[in-house]
Formats: sequence, C-alpha cells, structure tokens
Amino acid sequence: DAKTTQPPSMDCAEGRAANLPCNHSTISGNEYVYWYRQIHSQGPQYIIHGLKNNETNEMASLIITEDRKSSTLILPHATLRDTAVYYCILNFGNEKLTFGTGTRLTIIP
Amino acid sequence: NAGVTQTPKFRILKIGQSMTLQCTQDMNHNYMYWYRQDPGMGLKLIYYSVGAGITDKGEVPNGYNVSRSTTEDFPLRLELAAPSQTSVYFCASSYPGQGTDTQYFGPGTRLTVL
Repeated sequence: DAKTTQPPSMDCAEGRAANLPCNHSTISGNEYVYWYRQIHSQGPQYIIHGLKNNETNEMASLIITEDRKSSTLILPHATLRDTAVYYCILNFGNEKLTFGTGTRLTIIP
Repeated sequence: NAGVTQTPKFRILKIGQSMTLQCTQDMNHNYMYWYRQDPGMGLKLIYYSVGAGITDKGEVPNGYNVSRSTTEDFPLRLELAAPSQTSVYFCASSYPGQGTDTQYFGPGTRLTVL
C-alpha cells in the first residue's frame, strides 16, 4: 500500500468543522482512501472510505481531489467526543491495513 | 451483536511465561486479524486469517502463533513472553467485498511482560 502523510496534531474548537488533511501523492488508480479513528485506549473505529467521488455518512464527509493525490476528512460539528487519533489509510480493498501515526485531533471547549 | 470481543482486558506476564489472547466475533466475518500497538505508534499486523483453517503472517509475526479452527474464534498464542511483547493487542474482523474492506476492532488486551 502507498504511503500517506498527515499532520501530527491539530486543534479544533467545539462546534466548528474539523478538517483533517491527508496527502497520498503516489496513490494507485484502484486504491481506496480509508479513514479510521482511535479514541484513547480503544480499538480503532471505521469512519468512511472513498475511491474517486466525495462521500458522506452520518459521521463525516470525505473530499478527494480530482487527481486523487490528497483528501480531507470533515467532521461537520466537532464535539469533545471527537478527540482522537485519526488515521488516513490507502487500501486496495484487500485484507491488510497499514497504520501510520495519524493526526491527533484535540477538540477544545 | 456483540461485535468483536477480546479477553482478557489486562494481563501481566513474567518473562518466559506463555498465554493465549482470545478473540471472538459474532458477525460471521471470514477475515480476522491480530495487531499490536506500542505506545505512541500505529498498529502493526501480526497475523491474519481469511477463513477457518487458513492463516498467514503479517508484518511482525515473530514470537506469536495463531490458529483458526472456527469462523468465530482467532486466538493468539505467546509461547515465551519477552519484554518486547509488552503492548496493546487488538483483534479485528472484516468481510471484504466489492473491492472494499471495513475492519471492526475489539477493545484490546493490554499486556505487560516483566
């Protein structure tokens, strides 16, 4: 799987939109962009994934640039419970996920 | 559904002891995985299984063994515990299809080897 680059940490005010960037300039044509998050000491939790089109679900939105070299995860109205480490992962849809160190998002009251 | 369950939640071992970490899923997923996570690091894949009777090594398999006799269970065995195996262990399961694969994780087992 190709590598991703994420900022090590970010802060966001409670109630604001949290925008988490991810660079993946060497992404392959059939690789999906996955986002997981890990709240302190818990197992990772799936958030969303996409291939080419923008995606939205009840948790977040995923914006993928047209050249697919970067993406942004958007949490529309961040709450304190969204404080976590967020992982951007590329995957062909097979069985292996490669976790980097992610972005530590802190929601500030 | 309980999802993915792991036991025990915490364990302290002495060097050279052995133990089995249990993992069970009730979602009828055919794929199961074991990861370890060292402090401040991302998860690393130890072993995985694509179905009962089939297992394969991940990135860091040394010092561990697995078996998969049923769809539901995927135990991880540590034969001779070493301090380097102090970590948090996560089990996950998935049902890949149509080019996508969402993994569901258990709550983890925190292991300390002294």
